[in-house]
Amino acid sequence: DAKTTQPNSMESNEEEPVHLPCNHSTISGTDYIHWYRQLPSQGPEYVIHGLTSNVNNRMASLAIAEDRKSSTLILHRATLRDAAVYYCIENQAGTALIFGKGTTLSVSS
Amino acid sequence: DAGVIQSPRHEVTEMGQEVTLRCKPISGHNSLFWYRQTMMRGLELLIYFNNNVPIDDSGMPEDRFSAKMPNASFSTLKIQPSEPRDSAVYFCASSLIPGTARFGPGTRLTVT
Repeated sequence: DAKTTQPNSMESNEEEPVHLPCNHSTISGTDYIHWYRQLPSQGPEYVIHGLTSNVNNRMASLAIAEDRKSSTLILHRATLRDAAVYYCIENQAGTALIFGKGTTLSVSS
Repeated sequence: DAGVIQSPRHEVTEMGQEVTLRCKPISGHNSLFWYRQTMMRGLELLIYFNNNVPIDDSGMPEDRFSAKMPNASFSTLKIQPSEPRDSAVYFCASSLIPGTARFGPGTRLTVT
């Protein structure tokens, strides 16, 4: 079973930043935090991952709490194309990803 | 790259028939995963191969399901006999770096 907790849904307006929270209170010291998203009628796609430090890439930023019990995926300027289900996953290296229910993000114009 | 290739994209079959889903992972990737997605159960891991060897098949529902990976460039998921409750979207994914899997477009299976 998934070990992370995410809100079922969130709403945003286009061009505004979005902060998607995730709780992983039982995370171990060697587990990575991965974020994937699934656009309608598509397979999941990798967004970003991190271990302890905050991470940035062209898609998003990942802010990891100092105690690692929570993280936040940041979309700096939401677009309509960012409407998707976002999954936060704890993952031990070498094991398969286990998906929870994720957060359904709606973006309005 | 062409990404993960799955075939067929859609499959409609009658209960009791054998169904074979196919996957071609991204060249060079050494891990392959099969997932199933339904509205009720979400995205479930069925099986995970590493270097063509099954590592974790605890998600395979029952003996009706079997998966093989005869070489690094091909995998199959077979359901025999199929049942209506097997209707779902089946995704294949592959990875080189653990945790950064690339997913295929999925096969939508309907069993009537």
